[in-house]
Amino acid sequence: DAGVTQSPTHLIKTRGQQVTLRCSPKSGHDTVSWYQQALGQGPQFIFQYYEEEERQRGNFPDRFSGHQFPNYSSELNVNALLLGDSALYLCASRRIAGGSYEQYFGPGTRLTVT
Amino acid sequence: LAKTTQPISMDSYEGQEVNITCSHNNIATNDYITWYQQFPSQGPRFIIQGYKTKVTNEVASLFIPADRKSSTLSLPRVSLSDTAVYYCLVGDMWSGATNKLIFGTGTLLAVQP
Repeated sequence: DAGVTQSPTHLIKTRGQQVTLRCSPKSGHDTVSWYQQALGQGPQFIFQYYEEEERQRGNFPDRFSGHQFPNYSSELNVNALLLGDSALYLCASRRIAGGSYEQYFGPGTRLTVT
Repeated sequence: LAKTTQPISMDSYEGQEVNITCSHNNIATNDYITWYQQFPSQGPRFIIQGYKTKVTNEVASLFIPADRKSSTLSLPRVSLSDTAVYYCLVGDMWSGATNKLIFGTGTLLAVQP
């Protein structure tokens, strides 16, 4: 049973460019959340997707957007990249039905903006 | 979501028991306490969760006093591989789609030989 997978593992972009990160949730999970983790900091919640809709959003600008597909996989898009967007981007999944409280995290995508 | 306070870092030696305490004075009635472990460049890994008293699983124990304003994660007989950042989170994990996790800066546990 595969856990949460993310692609790519590493990515280097230039300021002003756009980037798309991908996440496949753990089998049986229907909810995906995205987090940004800067070096030396704890993960910061970006947003959560459930039933292909954004359900909750953290304190991130509109440059950060996402999508969830019918197979529950998800994308995170960041437009007009800034140097400060350099971070580890984490995807986490869980199963809403049944009241499961445990979120499983993927290995993350390391984004470097130059 | 309740704010949490943890020590920034702790040192230990292999084979010792380690206790990491987290304070959460504003914990609400519906809040649970959850601990995650994170290794460098990896996603956080769920360790344990509890509501009150004591919870134990195969890797750790969680002690929560009656007033629930603090909690202590206990790791028995740590090894070098337990060197990681440990996060304490407090929140209502059961309210439908409300499941965003609020991480603090965590506690860096360094285990030495």
